[in-house]
Order: sequence, then structure tokens, then C-alpha cells
Amino acid sequence: KNQVEQSPQSLIILEGKNCTLQCNYTVSPFSNLRWYKQDTGRGPVSLTIMTFSENTKSNGRYTATLDADTKQSSLHITASQLSDSASYICVVVYNNDMRFGAGTRLTVKP
Amino acid sequence: DGGITQSPKYLFRKEGQNVTLSCEQNLNHDAMYWYRQDPGQGLRLIYYSQIVNDFQKGDIAEGYSVSREKKESFPLTVTSAQKNPTAFYLCASKRGTGGAGTEAFFGQGTRLTVV
Repeated sequence: KNQVEQSPQSLIILEGKNCTLQCNYTVSPFSNLRWYKQDTGRGPVSLTIMTFSENTKSNGRYTATLDADTKQSSLHITASQLSDSASYICVVVYNNDMRFGAGTRLTVKP
Repeated sequence: DGGITQSPKYLFRKEGQNVTLSCEQNLNHDAMYWYRQDPGQGLRLIYYSQIVNDFQKGDIAEGYSVSREKKESFPLTVTSAQKNPTAFYLCASKRGTGGAGTEAFFGQGTRLTVV
């Protein structure tokens, strides 16, 4: 069973709309949680990193939240743009290892 | 520019042939990783290295081999023993082996196709 579950698997929204992506994890002990953006055919690029004590972090139009008690994280994208179309990957770091979610494929349409 | 570079971007392999994917970083990072990405699945760890001349198997090491003769380089060889090698391969590096706060940087990936 994958220790990092993301939902939805895919999402289509109109340009300018907001959306929220979910990440649930079971890995323990937890060091930090990261959200990456991956354009098709490219390597992932880091958006946010949150440690156990942080419950929200923003990077421009991207805001990540973390509830370490329920082991849930979300990535909220505000005022979406066509360039936001990509896969968004949740990564949980524990000990010296990283566990990856399968990603959410976001498509922003004009 | 500092960064992590993978080459080639696209690679085609014939049945029974070994191929080597290159990964170079000039970030002075100690740890380097190879992942395989298949559609609808999370990245899966093939091999990782925390220090020169040392490397460890990941979750799906069978059919792959690596070397770490230099800090900057971590090439991955896909051998003929890997029965389903068609995938997108990603290399990553990290400053240290500690988890907290140390960000991983990824290369742009190599798409390997068996023909």
C-alpha cells in the first residue's frame, strides 16, 4: 500500500478558478512534507517544504497546509493560470528516505 | 549555473542491450538518487548514494547498476536483465542525508524506450 495517497488523480478547472489538492500519508516518523510541480517530460520542481511544526506555507499563488495530527496536507492554488497545468506531487520525508505520492494531474483550460 | 543535469533526454534501447544514463551535479551535494517514474505511479527508488564509492539498493534495484566514483556523478546502467525498462528516469541530489529541511533537486529526466 502506497504510504502517500493523493487525490484527486486528475482535475480540470477553468482559468482563474481556485483548486485544492489533497495528500494523506501514513509514513512515520515524519521529518517534512514537500509539494513539487512537474511539467510533462520534465523533472519535479519544489514548491513548498513544511516541517512538523509548520501548518501553512505560501509560495505566491500556492498555499500548502499541514495537519500532522491527521497526517493530511493540501495544496491550494489561487487564481489558476494556464501555466499551472502540470502534475503536483506530494513527498513525505522520514529518516533519510522520501516517499512519493502518485501525483494529481491538473489541467487548466481557458 | 548550479544544477543537476541528466543526459540524454531521450534514449532508445534494443532488446538485450545495456544502456547508461548520465547524471551530473555541481551543487556539491553528498547524496544522489535514481528514480523510475511510470504513468499513474509515484516515483520509485532504484539506487541511492550518500557518499563517494558507496551506494545502496532502493526498492526496485533489480536489472540496474550504478557507480559513484566522483561526488559529482552518479550514472545508472539499465542492463538487459531489466525486463521492462521503458520509463521516465529521474536523478536527484540532496545536500546531506538528513531529512529535515534539506531539499532535493531533480534533473530534467531521461525517457528510455525499448525498440
